[in-house]
This record gives sequence, structure tokens and C-alpha cells, in this order.
Amino acid sequence: EVQLVESGGGLVKPGGSLRFSCIVSGFTFSDYTMTWVRQAPGKGLEWVSSISRSSVYIHYSDSVKGRFTISRDNAKNSLYLQMNSLRAEDTAVYYCARESVGGVRAGTDSWGQGTQVTVSS
Amino acid sequence: EIVLTQSPATLSLSPGERATLSCRASQSVSTYLAWYQQKPGQAPRLLIYDASNRATGVPARFSGSGSGTDFTLTISSLEPEDFAVYYCQQRSNWPRLTFGGGTKVEI
Repeated sequence: EVQLVESGGGLVKPGGSLRFSCIVSGFTFSDYTMTWVRQAPGKGLEWVSSISRSSVYIHYSDSVKGRFTISRDNAKNSLYLQMNSLRAEDTAVYYCARESVGGVRAGTDSWGQGTQVTVSS
Repeated sequence: EIVLTQSPATLSLSPGERATLSCRASQSVSTYLAWYQQKPGQAPRLLIYDASNRATGVPARFSGSGSGTDFTLTISSLEPEDFAVYYCQQRSNWPRLTFGGGTKVEI
């Protein structure tokens, strides 16, 4: 069974930092591009960042570029998101997700349960 | 950036009725569009990829169509468990993804 389990969420003050982890199981982690997606309270889904299988290609949304860093450790089946200079508008549930093989013709086919981040003083 | 506009924002229907959800892209995305279902407190679930292909385990009452800039998700006969929010996602700029604002299907 495919599983993605996030951890690391919590309450942080504006300007602070937080690091998420996502540990996966049930599939060969190194075969898949991985993605972080967030959802602000009562709002829709927003793509945050993606990282290719061997970390060669990394992409960020404009809203987090320069503040967030995505990384992965294929030996540990783990995906990470380091978030710095946090703002109130970063408050959201953050999902770790797997991009199915096929790129443009595929989908984001597996999701973690999400972890909540609240940025507030 | 490709913008996706979903309509209507809310669809009020009864079990057994047909639901038709629309997603319009600001520029052509070919068939590189996916649909997701999200229930309260849950992660999204992939329903449709490449505009018209059902994901594994998705019931046949869900179907997708369209290409270019106009796409439709149809639920042929609503089941009680289908009342949820539905999002479209463009994958033309993969892995830079964007989502539509969502359509809530309510009773």
C-alpha cells in the first residue's frame, strides 16, 4: 500500500522557520517526481514545489521562491520542505504528493494526510 | 501563468442526478488536464488524468472530456459519497502545476 506521512507542522511566528518531512512507503521512491501542495483555510489547492527523481530539476511557485527549499533523500524514502521567512499567508495545510509516471499526461496520484502550519504572532 | 476557471462555484443537486462541471483554461493545455475530488478533512483524490482517463479505482460514473481550453467533468448519476469539492489541474507546464478554484457539489 502506498503511504505518504508528513510531519513537522505547527505554530510559528512571522519570520520564523519550519521544516517538514514526508516519509513514504509502498513504492520505489526514487522512481517518482514529488510535489508539495498547500491549502489555506477554506481555500483551494496551490502548488508549492516539485523535485525530480534525482533532485536535478527543482521548481517553486513564485509565492515561495527564495524562501522555501525542497529536497529529498532517496536512501531514506524521505521528502523535505524547509520553510524560512514565514508569513501569515503561508498558513495552510501542506500536502506531500507523488506525481505518477507520465508527466503531463498523468496526475498527482497519491497524497499524504496533510500537516497544518499556522503562522501567527 | 495558465489560469484555470471552474464553473459553477457551487452545484446543488440530488442523488441520482447528473452533474456537469466546467474548467476553462486561459490558454491551450492540450489534453494535459486532471480532475480531483476532495472531501472535508481529506486529501484530494485523483479522478481523471489526461482529460479523459479514469484513475485506478474510479467508478465509471465519472467521465472527463475536452481539449485545448474547455474541459468537462461529468458524474452521470450522483451517489451520496460524490458530494464534495472538485478541482481541475493543468499539467501543460508540468511540474509547475496550477489548480482551478474548485466546484462544490452539494445536496
